[in-house]
Amino acid sequence: DTAVSQTPKYLVTQMGNDKSIKCEQNLGHDTMYWYKQDSKKFLKIMFSYNNKELIINETVPNRFSPKSPDKAHLNLHINSLELGDSAVYFCASSQEMGGEQFFGPGTRLTVL
Amino acid sequence: SQQGEEDPQALSIQEGENATMNCSYKTSINNLQWYRQNSGRGLVHLILIRSNEREKHSGRLRVTLDTSKKSSSLLITASRAADTASYFCATDDLIGSQGNLIFGKGTKLSVKP
Repeated sequence: DTAVSQTPKYLVTQMGNDKSIKCEQNLGHDTMYWYKQDSKKFLKIMFSYNNKELIINETVPNRFSPKSPDKAHLNLHINSLELGDSAVYFCASSQEMGGEQFFGPGTRLTVL
Repeated sequence: SQQGEEDPQALSIQEGENATMNCSYKTSINNLQWYRQNSGRGLVHLILIRSNEREKHSGRLRVTLDTSKKSSSLLITASRAADTASYFCATDDLIGSQGNLIFGKGTKLSVKP
């Protein structure tokens, strides 16, 4: 069974569109995260979500918004997509903040 | 802000040799972690070392932590071709990132058979 899953694996879309990436974890973890990995492999935290508390990286544009329907899911919504949003987005989860994280397989987003 | 900085950026060795990667960080931490990322895949946790520990082993991995120098090293002994991957250190910057992990830029390891 996959611990942290993301869909879709690949997403190709036009500038200006709105898209969502879904993430689910079956580990019973309390905290979930979204990361962006750029073409140079630099991994940047975007959001962390713990017990309904959202911590936002202040550098993330407000076009990005996480939504958590329940503890096992943290979806990422992106409005008005821009070329610079092209990257690989990773979802992750952990039992506690600062602890070992389990990553999903990633979603490669390409904005044309 | 960038917390961990790995060194070297890239490392190429022959199978059977040891590989050493270093990581430096800037602030106080509770723990430091190392992750591996195979090409096109998500990160996989390798080992966590707490700030009150100096050395930790896991199989062929050996991690050291020097909090006075704010640095850590990851040693992979008797490397295999399957160890080819990027390796990242991550720290929990308690002040700047509210407990979130901050990842370094990674070391790309290539192990030639």
